[in-house]
Amino acid sequence: EIVLTQSPGTLSLSPGERATLSCRASQSVQLGWYQQKPGQAPRLLIYGASSRATGIPDRFSGSGSGTDFTLTISRLEPEDFAVYYCQQYGSSPRTFGQGTKVEIK
Amino acid sequence: QVQLVQSGAEVKKPGASVKVSCKTSGYTFTSYYVHWVRQAPGQGLEWMGIINPSGDSTNYAQKFQGRVTMTRDTSTSTLNMELSSLRSEDTAVYYCARGHGPGSYSYFDYWGQGTLVTVSS
Repeated sequence: EIVLTQSPGTLSLSPGERATLSCRASQSVQLGWYQQKPGQAPRLLIYGASSRATGIPDRFSGSGSGTDFTLTISRLEPEDFAVYYCQQYGSSPRTFGQGTKVEIK
Repeated sequence: QVQLVQSGAEVKKPGASVKVSCKTSGYTFTSYYVHWVRQAPGQGLEWMGIINPSGDSTNYAQKFQGRVTMTRDTSTSTLNMELSSLRSEDTAVYYCARGHGPGSYSYFDYWGQGTLVTVSS
């Protein structure tokens, strides 16, 4: 089973600041990023490590390959405060990271 | 538009079974695999398995082998997930999620709203 490790666990930032989230895999993966707000289902943000899903604002960007990946939110908007999960979908079982919570400082 | 609409919340006793349904619309039902994912209160996301609505083949996470059954009804474009021998640790929100086609190895582009299953004596 592929293990995904996200860091940091919590990121405390102010609106307008830049957020940088990390995801490291135990072996080479195909990777996506999801956003989840309280009481809601996850929403796809990024697939293929760097492709934005339909309707996702361009302040969200993904980078990386192999085992090291980054999700960057260039300028945090109030609606961006949420939990973010990375997921590998190239092998079974599909696995998720434990999540990074982006909270208002 | 693509929609996955799940059945309502359930309360079950330990040892019982629960069946959660996921009614799809807005796309060709047999063209996209569907996954089931669960989330315990305050915890992360856990993949349970996948079903191919076209041929009814399934692949379950080892953790759930022997306790989970995923089925589909092509006449109503509905997927079902049944979990048996419930225990308190199965209390969670259960989600269905569509895999972006083609093939079974793809990201999850649409999600159901989630179904809370509570296991309590």
